[in-house]
Amino acid sequence: AQKITQTQPGMFVQEKEAVTLDCTYDTSDPSYGLFWYKQPSSGEMIFLIYQGSYDQQNATEGRYSLNFQKARKSANLVISASQLGDSAMYFCAMGQLTFGSGTQLTVLP
Amino acid sequence: NAGVTQTPKFRVLKTGQSMTLLCAQDMNHEYMYWYRQDPGMGLRLIHYSVGEGTTAKGEVPDGYNVSRLKKQNFLLGLESAAPSQTSVYFCASSFSANTHYEQYFGPGTRLTVT
Repeated sequence: AQKITQTQPGMFVQEKEAVTLDCTYDTSDPSYGLFWYKQPSSGEMIFLIYQGSYDQQNATEGRYSLNFQKARKSANLVISASQLGDSAMYFCAMGQLTFGSGTQLTVLP
Repeated sequence: NAGVTQTPKFRVLKTGQSMTLLCAQDMNHEYMYWYRQDPGMGLRLIHYSVGEGTTAKGEVPDGYNVSRLKKQNFLLGLESAAPSQTSVYFCASSFSANTHYEQYFGPGTRLTVT
């Protein structure tokens, strides 16, 4: 069985600072994909970034990067230079079937 | 290109009533999913479909039925609504069920059962 754990229900960060959202996972599959989605207060789910289990390099997409530590089974999302518009719920997911409980990020002006 | 759409956006039901949520996608995706989102619990998979005419149970299927008569549509039915089914329902689609493909989500349906 697969499992995603997000241990930070809520996080605060000052505008323009970097923030790391934690995600640990558990699976016995050798091949898997890890995703982060953003859900703003308007409710839609927005795909942010993807990391494949066999990828050697950490994924990056603009201000988003994924700190992938396979041995520790962690896939933390790093947001650099936080903006007010980054305030949202963030979900870590494995494939299409398993989601974490989310982290509510609030960016302070 | 509308992506994934859901109908309706909001609905209030009384206990015991039935309803159908419609999900449509125009990306020619084979795979479609229904999730429910409850506070503090993230997204939980209700049912999913790997192609026209095929469906499978997810983590929380009880009290729901689904149908995929056309590739672009995935219907979620509640035969006898219960207050425990008050939730936000999301539909999603993906090109493949391979775990390396991201999903595209609809805007959600907020359902309240009184």
